[in-house]
Order: sequence, then structure tokens, then C-alpha cells
Amino acid sequence: DAGVTQSPTHLIKTRGQQVTLRCSPISGHKSVSWYQQVLGQGPQFIFQYYEKEERGRGNFPDRFSARQFPNYSSELNVNALLLGDSALYLCASSLPPTRTEAFFGQGTRLTVV
Amino acid sequence: QKEVEQNSGPLSVPEGAIASLNCTYSDRGSQSFFWYRQYSGKSPELIMFIYSNGDKEDGRFTAQLNKASQYVSLLIRDSQPSDSATYLCAVIRRTSYDKVIFGPGTSLSVIP
Repeated sequence: DAGVTQSPTHLIKTRGQQVTLRCSPISGHKSVSWYQQVLGQGPQFIFQYYEKEERGRGNFPDRFSARQFPNYSSELNVNALLLGDSALYLCASSLPPTRTEAFFGQGTRLTVV
Repeated sequence: QKEVEQNSGPLSVPEGAIASLNCTYSDRGSQSFFWYRQYSGKSPELIMFIYSNGDKEDGRFTAQLNKASQYVSLLIRDSQPSDSATYLCAVIRRTSYDKVIFGPGTSLSVIP
């Protein structure tokens, strides 16, 4: 079975631009979560989506938004990019409510210049 | 006080020794506990999860949970150089969603 897949793997953007990151969960998983990981720190929770609805949101500005599609894939959008948005963006899928273990994709490395 | 704390390391152990990684958390309502391994430049890989007090063993890995002390640990027996990585502790409190909090990670170096 395919794991969690993310695209693109690397991205370079200019300050002020907008970016869209994509994630396909493990087959059968209905929940997708997004995380931001800055070098040297643990992942920080951004969003959780379950059954196409936003279930949770971390402490991130409104420039960050996301959505989940009927096939449970997801997109993370970031507007008006700042240098501080440079990070590894991770998507994880899980199978609530019975299982909470989350499995990560390979991540998207975003560099804002 | 940070919600999830770990010793930042680096922790160095000789090959074949036991590596002990520790994690404390502040939210007594936390219900699920995970250990992830992350190699440099890669994404986190789930290696252990534990829900109940006590020990859980899987191969060379043992997770230990003590909810009263708000403490979770990971023991790696017969440490190998390939175990050299950053180990992330993650804690979940289930509310309307699975609120996941990661610790900052502990860097482990296994010396041949």
C-alpha cells in the first residue's frame, strides 16, 4: 500500500507570493493533519481535517488555510509568504476515531527568499 | 512550562548499549503517546505508541508510560549506529479533534 504522499518535495518562493501544498493520505484514512517543522524544532500543528471538515486549528495566522476533498486528499495554502514561513511542511494521515496513530508523508521543503 | 519537554541532547551511547530517552508532558488529560524517529532531512517515522500505564515492547524498543508522573520514555536496547537520529515525543489529547503536541526532540548518536 502507498503511504502518505506529498507534492512538491521542494519549493522556492518569493516573499509575498502564495503557495499550495498537496497531500494524499494512506488509502482508507479519512483524517489529514498538517504540520510545520522549523529546523531544530518539533513539528507544530497547523490543521486537522476529518471527513472534509476542519476539526482543529493550531496557532497560525489566517494566511494559512486548508481544505480536504471528497477523496480525502488535502491542500494547504499559504498566502503572503514571509521569510519565516520557510520550513518543512508535513502532512500526516490517521484513522480516527478508533486509531490515533499518525503516519507522515515525506514533507515539502519550502524556502521563501 | 512547555507542554511537552524532552532532553535536547545530544545523547551519545556506544554501540550495543541501552539508550534511554525521556519525555514529560503538562496536560493530565493526555491520552495517547507516541515516539517518532526522524533522520536528518527526512520526515518523522512512527516507531512506538502507548496508551496505558506500564511498558510496551516491540523488538529492541520499549516504551514506558507513567500517567501519574506525566512521564513517558523510550528505551532502545542493543543500540546500533543506524539508530542515530532525532527522537520526537508526541502527546495527544482528544477533544473535538486529536490535538497533537510534539516535543522538541532528542538527538541520539550511537558511536561504533
